[in-house]
Amino acid sequence: QSALTQPASVSGSPGQSITLSCTGTSSDIGGYNFVSWYQQYPGKVPKLIIFDVTSRVSGVSNRFSASKSGNTASLTISGLQSEDEADYYCCSYTSTSTLVLFGGGTKLTVL
Amino acid sequence: QVQLQESGPGLVTPSETLSLICTVSGGSITNYYWSWVRQPPGKGLEWIGYIYHSGRPDYNPSLKSRVTMSVDTSKSQFSLNLSSVTAADTAVYYCATYRFGKKVFDPWGQGTLVTVSS
Repeated sequence: QSALTQPASVSGSPGQSITLSCTGTSSDIGGYNFVSWYQQYPGKVPKLIIFDVTSRVSGVSNRFSASKSGNTASLTISGLQSEDEADYYCCSYTSTSTLVLFGGGTKLTVL
Repeated sequence: QVQLQESGPGLVTPSETLSLICTVSGGSITNYYWSWVRQPPGKGLEWIGYIYHSGRPDYNPSLKSRVTMSVDTSKSQFSLNLSSVTAADTAVYYCATYRFGKKVFDPWGQGTLVTVSS
């Protein structure tokens, strides 16, 4: 099964709000509430920031929020800051034999 | 807090077997599922598989024919073997705790770069 679909890159200016999308199918995102998001800085370890579609990990800024509509999950970052510049990966459980799917990742650039 | 540390060769010869160990500290290895995730240089994350100490492991179908994972509870370690490697298997390999109920990977080890080259 193919990876979840994420835009390769997104950019925004400080203070703006941006939304990263993650598209799957009814076998994964659309069928289950097991969508998670990971933030990864260059050369660093991925860090879980969102789980169960909308739940923020303790300590993660409330500028990060997430949702799901149909087969597409979204991560919104409000009040964009330079420290938000990183790669973001979505992940979902899938009922297919693949079991776990990652998105290809979105590189967020803060202009 | 659970901590994980990968160890193993950084260079593997093509057609040979890649072998890595993840050492778990700060928690019991019998309490969680354990997983391997890899990331080729400049590319995205790929799930390899997960295992529980007393269960059958589950593997990514794309790698299933070449992957073996196991748990050694006496050493608080779990391992990854990937056979018949090629240059395409060059990646940073992460071990991670797989929270089965939430279907998330947290926490992660620091990762180890494995290069496949002669």
